[in-house]
Amino acid sequence: NAGVTQTPKFRILKIGQSMTLQCTQDMNHNYMYWYRQDPGMGLKLIYYSVGAGITDKGEVPNGYNVSRSTTEDFPLRLELAAPSQTSVYFCASSYSDTDTQYFGPGTRLTVL
Amino acid sequence: GQNIDQPTEMTATEGAIVQINCTYQTSGFNGLFWYQQHAGEAPTFLSYNVLDGLEEKGRFSSFLSRSKGYSYLLLKELQMKDSASYLCAVRDGDYKLSFGAGTTVTVRA
Repeated sequence: NAGVTQTPKFRILKIGQSMTLQCTQDMNHNYMYWYRQDPGMGLKLIYYSVGAGITDKGEVPNGYNVSRSTTEDFPLRLELAAPSQTSVYFCASSYSDTDTQYFGPGTRLTVL
Repeated sequence: GQNIDQPTEMTATEGAIVQINCTYQTSGFNGLFWYQQHAGEAPTFLSYNVLDGLEEKGRFSSFLSRSKGYSYLLLKELQMKDSASYLCAVRDGDYKLSFGAGTTVTVRA
């Protein structure tokens, strides 16, 4: 089991560019989550999904979009990158909402 | 919104004990988690409490008091590899996780 994998590990974007952060899990987990982590702040939930075809907003969804076409994959899309989106992004998954969440290695994104 | 507080930094000596406190105010409660996060890495699960009391897992123990909105993580026989950030996270009434900002523990020889 690879667990939760994320690509890329690092990326630098220019303001206004778009990109997709990839997240895949091989644990057959129903629930998947995207968080961002900024220095000195707790992880903030961006979007989550309770199963294929179902997504919902978290605490800080503005500027992001997600889709969940398969159980395994949960990509996060940034359409018009802004400096405020410079952060470390973590994807996580769990079997259900009452189970422990397991995190991927993260993507460090810088928007200049 | 949710409010989760924990100290920013703690320093201790190798072999010693450190206690990291976490207080919380959330809309509903469905469990409290502690995660360990080494610099530049992903958070990894350490412990889970949903009922009052102490949960022990080797050198790590976690305590919960729901009536006081309080938890602590106890790290015993500290080792250099325990230098990391420790994140307190509370699962609220909607089963969402809210995280504290983390406590950076530095272990000195």
